[in-house]
Amino acid sequence: SQQGEEDPQALSIQEGENATMNCSYKTSINNLQWYRQNSGRGLVHLILIRSNEREKHSGRLRVTLDTSKKSSSLLITASRAADTASYFCATGGTASKLTFGTGTRLQVTL
Amino acid sequence: SQTIHQWPATLVQPVGSPLSLECTVEGTSNPNLYWYRQAAGRGLQLLFYSVGIGQISSEVPQNLSASRPQDRQFILSSKKLLLSDSGFYLCAWSVRSRTDEKLFFGSGTQLSVL
Repeated sequence: SQQGEEDPQALSIQEGENATMNCSYKTSINNLQWYRQNSGRGLVHLILIRSNEREKHSGRLRVTLDTSKKSSSLLITASRAADTASYFCATGGTASKLTFGTGTRLQVTL
Repeated sequence: SQTIHQWPATLVQPVGSPLSLECTVEGTSNPNLYWYRQAAGRGLQLLFYSVGIGQISSEVPQNLSASRPQDRQFILSSKKLLLSDSGFYLCAWSVRSRTDEKLFFGSGTQLSVL
């Protein structure tokens, strides 16, 4: 089954630095999505990239997709303490077929 | 704008007791609705989804059931809770799309079965 696996599992950086998280998956996809989850809260959709796209930007977020390597990366530039959260990739087409990875826990310290 | 309400936020229940978690969506019609469970430090596991009133698809055989009595209401239930039912339960909705469905999540219910 399609499955996203994030890497690293945990990441600790200082405010102002860039944070890069990676996601690998196993089978062909229609799109790949990134979500953010603050501790004890629901997930928030960040960005969706389609299989025919290679890069997408949204504010301080930059997502790349390499379908030949079955991988994606999420870059958060100029990180802030408020970016501290877990970040999940999800692969699939329709929402009922989305498969979530286990997430990257990002800690941004002052 | 669309909003999703999920309650309660936390729940502590004894083994063998019943469960009812409710989720409602406002500001949209005919949404797809979902129940997910998240174990501590893990990803999300899809439990149920619904594309319409009375239409429920179960992804994982388990001690739980779901119902959709109204267009924007989704209920997760159990007749007798097990210890293994503990976890963080999330309701979500989406607008139907052939390829680009995005999920919008509620704030979650932390269920502890003791």
